[in-house]
Amino acid sequence: GIQVEQSPPDLILQEGANSTLRCNFSDSVNNLQWFHQNPWGQLINLFYIPSGTKQNGRLSATTVATERYSLLYISSSQTTDSGVYFCAALDNYGQNFVFGPGTRLSVLP
Amino acid sequence: SAVISQKPSRDICQRGTSLTIQCQVDSQVTMMFWYRQQPGQSLTLIATANQGSEATYESGFVIDKFPISRPNLTFSTLTVSNMSPEDSSIYLCSVAGGGGTEAFFGQGTRLTVV
Repeated sequence: GIQVEQSPPDLILQEGANSTLRCNFSDSVNNLQWFHQNPWGQLINLFYIPSGTKQNGRLSATTVATERYSLLYISSSQTTDSGVYFCAALDNYGQNFVFGPGTRLSVLP
Repeated sequence: SAVISQKPSRDICQRGTSLTIQCQVDSQVTMMFWYRQQPGQSLTLIATANQGSEATYESGFVIDKFPISRPNLTFSTLTVSNMSPEDSSIYLCSVAGGGGTEAFFGQGTRLTVV
């Protein structure tokens, strides 16, 4: 099955800083999503982005499917951005998601 | 998009007991998925639940430990049986994600076994 890697594993930022999170996947994907898991454990959908670029406020994401990676950009970070960010991918043959190990982001005031 | 209601949101249980987690979707879906997230770890798929057939379990998960029901196209339950402290995790249900469609998750159930 597909393998999903994320980097960095941990990231500490000062409020107002920008950051880039990376997701690499081992095979062609049918679906690629980014999630934010809040401290209560809930997964928040950020982007559904099997290819191309999308923006939502201070967040944007780009997936380059031919090179098998996706990037999540966070600009002007806020303390509420803290949590774990996961990417998850579905290959062209599967029916379920494979999650990456996550990036734990801490934004300090 | 799909709205998924999952309950309970959290529970503390005694070892040796069982807990049933419910997942209700606001639309009919063919497949529902159950995940486990152990402390500090990523999400791992437990099983895929299809309406009208036995659930399909991933390697390392068995029906006796995690029985699943799928009585209709909007509802599913996952039972964690004969619990031990190692079962302390967040359990999440999910819909869609297959065939290139967006996946959505319930709020999760944070289980602590003492």
